[in-house]
Amino acid sequence: GAGVSQSPSNKVTEKGKDVELRCDPISGHTALYWYRQSLGQGLEFLIYFQGNSAPDKSGLPSDRFSAERTGGSVSTLTIQRTQQEDSAVYLCASRIGGEWNEQFFGPGTRLTVL
Amino acid sequence: AQKVTQAQTEISVVEKEDVTLDCVYETRDTTYYLFWYKQPPSGELVFLIRRNSFDEQNEISGRYSWNFQKSTSSFNFTITASQVVDSAVYFCALSEAQAGTALIFGKGTTLSVSS
Repeated sequence: GAGVSQSPSNKVTEKGKDVELRCDPISGHTALYWYRQSLGQGLEFLIYFQGNSAPDKSGLPSDRFSAERTGGSVSTLTIQRTQQEDSAVYLCASRIGGEWNEQFFGPGTRLTVL
Repeated sequence: AQKVTQAQTEISVVEKEDVTLDCVYETRDTTYYLFWYKQPPSGELVFLIRRNSFDEQNEISGRYSWNFQKSTSSFNFTITASQVVDSAVYFCALSEAQAGTALIFGKGTTLSVSS
């Protein structure tokens, strides 16, 4: 009964570099979400995947952010040309069944951009 | 526009006190879902409860209880006989059936329970 896992747990990078964050959802969960948590902005939605449907990218803050989900399971969030304001904890969540069900969150990746 | 307001930023209580965390939401959708999550110092968000917009029954689970009132757009959370282990940040969240189901979170309430 593994939960949602994320890697790395911590990432320190220099401004301008690209980073990739990984999420392994709970097996069998068809829906996957990325959020980020920062002191100034609280918890914000970034992107949502549901099965084979086109992802809902409405929360991505800029075109430097992208995500993909391969084989309906693992997801990677990529941030290109990182900026200091990208520093935050990036959280992944997955859900089974309908939208009325709860989302289960991973431990997050703490990203620090120097 | 959808919004969740948790007006209490921080609350401090002494063990065994009862404490209520307030949550007020705004939505135009007639079908929506409300959630409470707990974020202990370890950082991982833990699901506590969900409610859909058609179910106004209050719920009790051990020392936790929830009061959902559509008339006031509130979904308040009460901890009875608080314990030190209840110290955490508590988030209220809303998702709407028509809007892609992403959670809209309040800013959170930090609860500190001292012994």
